[in-house]
Amino acid sequence: QKEVEQDPGPLSVPEGAIVSLNCTYSNSAFQYFMWYRQYSRKGPELLMYTYSSGNKEDGRFTAQVDKSSKYISLFIRDSQPSDSATYLCAMRTSGTYKYIFGTGTRLKVLA
Amino acid sequence: GAGVSQSPRYKVAKRGQDVALRCDPISGHVSLFWYQQALGQGPEFLTYFQNEAQLDKSGLPSDRFFAERPEGSVSTLKIQRTQQEDSAVYLCASSLGEGTSNEQFFGPGTRLTVL
Repeated sequence: QKEVEQDPGPLSVPEGAIVSLNCTYSNSAFQYFMWYRQYSRKGPELLMYTYSSGNKEDGRFTAQVDKSSKYISLFIRDSQPSDSATYLCAMRTSGTYKYIFGTGTRLKVLA
Repeated sequence: GAGVSQSPRYKVAKRGQDVALRCDPISGHVSLFWYQQALGQGPEFLTYFQNEAQLDKSGLPSDRFFAERPEGSVSTLKIQRTQQEDSAVYLCASSLGEGTSNEQFFGPGTRLTVL
């Protein structure tokens, strides 16, 4: 079993929909949680990061962490075709620099 | 350009050849990471430099993989005697502070195909 599990998709939604992307993990020591967006043939770019549990909002994006369930989510409101990309979750423990990535979920937002 | 750059963008090698992949991090960034991303997978950690010091190379898959950053800026990932299973995108990322800062800036990657 991988330390971080993520449904690879693809996930297809109509423009304007609310998108929910999720990851589960097994290591309870993870404390820093990141979401990256990766367009085809590009490197990942950081969208959101959260520390420990709770919610964080930035524009159309909301990140949630539920440490008791070992579950993190990224919500995208009013999704746009330009949001079509692969979304990667990543996490690490405190005091280390090794990021563990999920496999990524491919999202398609249909115009 | 202000971002991380990598060269070449694409590399085709015959099995058994040696390859060298270059990463130019953002100027002044202390930390540099190399990742391997297989098709349909997330990036997997290979190695980490803080300035010129290679602090962690635990992710390098075999002794055919070698990385260096001699002057604390440009880094090179070398793969000797390439094998087909080495085919992947090799990503470089840099961050301003020491490795525990969260924002890593990724380059576009080098896509290596071993025939």
